[in-house]
Amino acid sequence: DMQVTQSPSSLSASVGDRVTISCRTSQSIITYLNWFQQKPGRAPKLLISAASNLQTGVPSRFSGSGSGAEFTLTISSLQPEDSATYYCLETYSSPPYTFGQGTKLEIK
Amino acid sequence: EVQLVQSGAEVKKPGDSLKISCEGSGYKFDNFWIGWVRQMPGKGLEWMGIIYPSDSKTRYNPSFQGQVTISVDKSISTTYLQWTSLKASDTATYYCASPQGFWGQGALVTVSS
Repeated sequence: DMQVTQSPSSLSASVGDRVTISCRTSQSIITYLNWFQQKPGRAPKLLISAASNLQTGVPSRFSGSGSGAEFTLTISSLQPEDSATYYCLETYSSPPYTFGQGTKLEIK
Repeated sequence: EVQLVQSGAEVKKPGDSLKISCEGSGYKFDNFWIGWVRQMPGKGLEWMGIIYPSDSKTRYNPSFQGQVTISVDKSISTTYLQWTSLKASDTATYYCASPQGFWGQGALVTVSS
């Protein structure tokens, strides 16, 4: 079974900081990894597909990188509206797929 | 524009049955996997299962196998999530979602005596 380990589970950072969130999978998934942002009471929103493809309308301060079994979501300059929980999702294994545990990002 | 529109919130008693729905539009519904994701209060996302509308092939997360049934009516571009006997622990928000990243608005299911 595919395992997805996301870290950290929570973090607190200041406006303007560079923030990184990691996802590690138990086997290579090439680049079959998506990143989502979820705000309270809302459905998750796709930020990045295929590890590094920024979705239309998503601010360019968000970026994704990685391949194989290690992936990173980076926010280059944190903004107040980025306070949310972030999830990775692997889509390589046979469906249904596996989410990371989530990272709750708080603005100091 | 791709849209997934779910049925509304439900309040049920333990032991009740329930079927919630999700209608897709704006894309070729038959040819893309679509599934259901559970989010318990204050918790993370769990993919429950997924169905391929064209042939109704269905796959379940082992944690949900036998607990729910996922079905589809491709004639109306709608997928369903069904329980025969709800438990209090089924209280959660349920999203329909596609692996491509499209999500329904969510449906809160509350099970309480």
